[in-house]
Amino acid sequence: DTGVSQNPRHKITKRGQNVTFRCDPISEHNRLYWYRQTLGQGPEFLTYFQNEAQLEKSRLLSDRFSAERPKGSFSTLEIQRTEQGDSAMYLCASSQMGAEGEKLFFGSGTQLSVL
Amino acid sequence: DAKTTQPNSMESNEEEPVHLPCNHSTISGTDYIHWYRQLPSQGPEYVIHGLTSNVNNRMASLAIAEDRKSSTLILHRATLRDAAVYYCILGAQKLVFGQGTRLTINP
Repeated sequence: DTGVSQNPRHKITKRGQNVTFRCDPISEHNRLYWYRQTLGQGPEFLTYFQNEAQLEKSRLLSDRFSAERPKGSFSTLEIQRTEQGDSAMYLCASSQMGAEGEKLFFGSGTQLSVL
Repeated sequence: DAKTTQPNSMESNEEEPVHLPCNHSTISGTDYIHWYRQLPSQGPEYVIHGLTSNVNNRMASLAIAEDRKSSTLILHRATLRDAAVYYCILGAQKLVFGQGTRLTINP
């Protein structure tokens, strides 16, 4: 399967702990996105990369959140000092920008529960 | 980011066509119109996108108004597996999702 892979699928942590999620995009895709989704809401944009460069970061993203994409391949999203409000589904998507716009392929997400 | 307006929910019957509307009066000339859907417990899935002309693929059709201020996603023959939240999104990159339309299909 060459789809977008996210690990872990589920993460339960205690408030104040740090967590890290991993996303493996489709191999030939140069763009990678992170979104966050809470129950009943649409996905909320967090940040995106083109190759290894982080091109944009949402103003809603606090300094406790950091994302990296070393070598333009997989990406990690780290949340430091987690809070209960961080509980959400974290979605990763990848794409290959083309002449006819962009088509995103999403992973199944990492469900974070902060106790 | 240009905004879209969709009904919160719609209901249809199995094997009937479904027309999902989307209004986007502030669309810019470079904005593509994208449709994604999200089944329960899954990430969003690409359905279709277009710029000015109507588009067809194996999943659906996209009808775009001549002034591009509205569009309609057409599922030609709904099945129970089409029950999902459907998102209409504008943009060329960095797609910003709204609340979408929750589509219920009755057997």
